[in-house]
Amino acid sequence: DAGVTQSPTHLIKTRGQQVTLRCSPKSGHDTVSWYQQALGQGPQFIFQYYEEEERQRGNFPDRFSGHQFPNYSSELNVNALLLGDSALYLCASSLRQGSYGYTFGSGTRLTVV
Amino acid sequence: DAKTTQPTSMDCAEGRAANLPCNHSTISGNEYVYWYRQIHSQGPQYIIHGLKNNETNEMASLIITEDRKSSTLILPHATLRDTAVYYCIVRARNYGGSQGNLIFGKGTKLSVKP
Repeated sequence: DAGVTQSPTHLIKTRGQQVTLRCSPKSGHDTVSWYQQALGQGPQFIFQYYEEEERQRGNFPDRFSGHQFPNYSSELNVNALLLGDSALYLCASSLRQGSYGYTFGSGTRLTVV
Repeated sequence: DAKTTQPTSMDCAEGRAANLPCNHSTISGNEYVYWYRQIHSQGPQYIIHGLKNNETNEMASLIITEDRKSSTLILPHATLRDTAVYYCIVRARNYGGSQGNLIFGKGTKLSVKP
């Protein structure tokens, strides 16, 4: 049973560019959340998608946007990249209705130069 | 901000029990205690969660104090592969049962030594 799959694993972008990260949730999960993890810090919540709509959002600017597709997969888009956007971006999937924990992917390491 | 307080780091001898404490003195009645761990260069991994009763699964045990203001994660026989950052998180179930987002602190870096 495949877990959460994220692509690409590593990415280097130039300041000002745009980037799209992708996530396929664990089979049977319907909710996808995105987190940003800076070096040495815990993951920070960006937003959560369910039924193709953004349901919750953390304290991130509008440069961060997302999308969820009918097959529950998701994309994270970041526009006008800043050096400070360099981080590990984690996708987590879960069941909307359930008390069990999230399943995280291994993340995409984004470096902005 | 995270609602939990954990020691920054801990050491444990291989084969011994690792006891990781967490303080959550402002926990509300509808908030669960969750534990995740993150091994270097991987995403966080769910370990266990509980509301007020002690819980045990194949990975660990969770002991929650009667007043629910603190808890302890116990890895009964730590191995080198248990070296990771361990996060204690409190999270409410939203109305209707949907899951809220996780708020991570900096966690406890557990080093298991031979």
